[in-house]
Amino acid sequence: DTEVTQTPKHLVMGMTNKKSLKCEQHMGHRAMYWYKQKAKKPPELMFVYSYEKLSINESVPSRFSPECPNSSLLNLHLHALQPEDSALYLCASSQGDTDNQPQHFGDGTRLSIL
Amino acid sequence: AQSVTQLGSHVSVSEGALVLLRCNYSSSVPPYLFWYVQYPNQGLQLLLKYTTGATLVKGINGFEAEFKKSETSFHLTKPSAHMSDAAEYFCAVSDRDTNAGKSTFGDGTTLTVKP
Repeated sequence: DTEVTQTPKHLVMGMTNKKSLKCEQHMGHRAMYWYKQKAKKPPELMFVYSYEKLSINESVPSRFSPECPNSSLLNLHLHALQPEDSALYLCASSQGDTDNQPQHFGDGTRLSIL
Repeated sequence: AQSVTQLGSHVSVSEGALVLLRCNYSSSVPPYLFWYVQYPNQGLQLLLKYTTGATLVKGINGFEAEFKKSETSFHLTKPSAHMSDAAEYFCAVSDRDTNAGKSTFGDGTTLTVKP
């Protein structure tokens, strides 16, 4: 069991759909992250939220829209995705936003774009 | 700037044999170093980390790693492999000059354990 919970575990959507991925942690962590991971590849950082404010956007296309409603929740809103966006989307959190803090990962949402 | 190189994308060992997964890093300042493990259909789990202090770091599941500044290495070892160790392993580095919370991951090493 992980302490970072992601829903749904699997998502299949068409290119015109709008959906959201959700992430929740109750460890009191103040930094939260979204990663995209392709098969047999390392995670690629997409966004970092620090103290509920967006601190890093790794030039992610606007069809991905992050939201941090509070310190425990992180959403990723999806709209007009492309087939190449099919991947495992991982959420992570860390105690703070300093570089010596390890990240705690959820089990991910496996996204398939038709 | 920082980077990580994991030597060997695939490592295969027999059950009970020594596990050695190699990681070399590049960083302009003293680094923070991490090893994560990823089992199929799961997220990444921290095995161990080096920040400061003792250079031999012990982690979970019997793994350990040694920070060697002169060799810019942080290799992961385990004396005796178990079947349950089969997984993907990622080395990661971050340094004091990067944007907060931003780690660079290596390409990963797939560990296979043969019975």
